Amino acid sequence: ILNVEQSPQSLHVQEGDSTNFTCSFPSSNFYALHWYRWETAKSPEALFVMTLNGDEKKKGRISATLNTKEGYSYLYIKGSQPEDSATYLCASYNAGGTSYGKLTFGQGTILTVHP
Amino acid sequence: DGGITQSPKYLFRKEGQNVTLSCEQNLNHDAMYWYRQDPGQGLRLIYYSQIVNDFQKGDIAEGYSVSREKKESFPLTVTSAQKNPTAFYLCASTRRGDRGTGELFFGEGSRLTVL
Repeated sequence: ILNVEQSPQSLHVQEGDSTNFTCSFPSSNFYALHWYRWETAKSPEALFVMTLNGDEKKKGRISATLNTKEGYSYLYIKGSQPEDSATYLCASYNAGGTSYGKLTFGQGTILTVHP
Repeated sequence: DGGITQSPKYLFRKEGQNVTLSCEQNLNHDAMYWYRQDPGQGLRLIYYSQIVNDFQKGDIAEGYSVSREKKESFPLTVTSAQKNPTAFYLCASTRRGDRGTGELFFGEGSRLTVL
């Protein structure tokens, strides 16, 4: 079973603060890294799917970077708003062995943005 | 609108009973997945199916069973052999054969409580 780690486990910030989280994943046989946002009482929704080393993606105030050689990704939120409060999940897709054909998720980072 | 529908949203079960969780999608996706979430843990894969009439065990398949008789349906049965079935269950789907580059679409989940 692959090991995908996210840090921190939880984070409290004030409205307007910028913040970032980390996702560590196995770099061997890597194919893709996913970020999802999961708001309370809703379905998780995809933010980004990243495949290339050095890739950067942006959606509004949220952006992500990817380092496939060292096996980490950062998610940044600029000027956090209360509506950004959610659990942020990352997941790694690696080929080979029993990992083929499936994503392995980290445990998530719970973000709370206080007004 | 296209999406994934899970039912029921909440389910209570007595020990020793089997229960079946429904997952239906109208996204024309080939691949479907069942995940389990426990407090403080990431989503763990129970079973997945990449095509009709075929499915594979995930990381925690013991005590669960699935079927994939139709493309749009992937029901999960939690059997009495599952030692700790109380959890939140999420169903997801994606396109097949994309080496992990296709985002997952999730249902809203089913919360199972064993009394």
